[in-house]
Amino acid sequence: GNSVTQMEGPVTLSEEAFLTINCTYTATGYPSLFWYVQYPGEGLQLLLKATKADDKGSNKGFEATYRKETTSFHLEKGSVQVSDSAVYFCALLNTGNQFYFGTGTSLTVIP
Amino acid sequence: EPEVTQTPSHQVTQMGQEVILRCVPISNHLYFYWYRQILGQKVEFLVSFYNNEISEKSEIFDDQFSVERPDGSNFTLKIRSTKLEDSAMYFCASSPGRSNQPQHFGDGTRLSIL
Repeated sequence: GNSVTQMEGPVTLSEEAFLTINCTYTATGYPSLFWYVQYPGEGLQLLLKATKADDKGSNKGFEATYRKETTSFHLEKGSVQVSDSAVYFCALLNTGNQFYFGTGTSLTVIP
Repeated sequence: EPEVTQTPSHQVTQMGQEVILRCVPISNHLYFYWYRQILGQKVEFLVSFYNNEISEKSEIFDDQFSVERPDGSNFTLKIRSTKLEDSAMYFCASSPGRSNQPQHFGDGTRLSIL
């Protein structure tokens, strides 16, 4: 089956700290992988994506690499800002065009 | 940048009543979706819609639910005879195509069943 597991939150970091949010997946076939972000009171926004093994998605300083051998898609950012405070969702899109989301990881960045 | 819009932002309804959640997808997109997120839980896929018919649906999407594209712009989710456990955030999404296409999400409608 298809599923996504991401690290439990909440995560609290100081500004300029390094961020890693772990995400692993199980899937049949060759899914595409995504990170979505949900800012307080808003909907889901696409942050980055990778469509095949070894692809690296990047946006706004965030990066994630599609690792088929470890079935992972960990989100990283070298220096977080207060404005990065949000809930981050890892997701896979299977060949049947269905999204499977992780439970979300809440990030709070303090000045 | 074009976006998916959903109305209302918050809907409060008594148990047993019918609700219709409305969405306007991005105009040149061909695939439309509904998801729900019960408070504190995962975002769950409900249904996808293409070419005026349901293309995939999850186990959650039972006879209580229906979707419709009544005109060229709106995409609606109807929930008949609502239950307390239908309380959730409902997200509409659209995409231009199928595989590998990111889905663009609306801000969601918070449905509260009393």
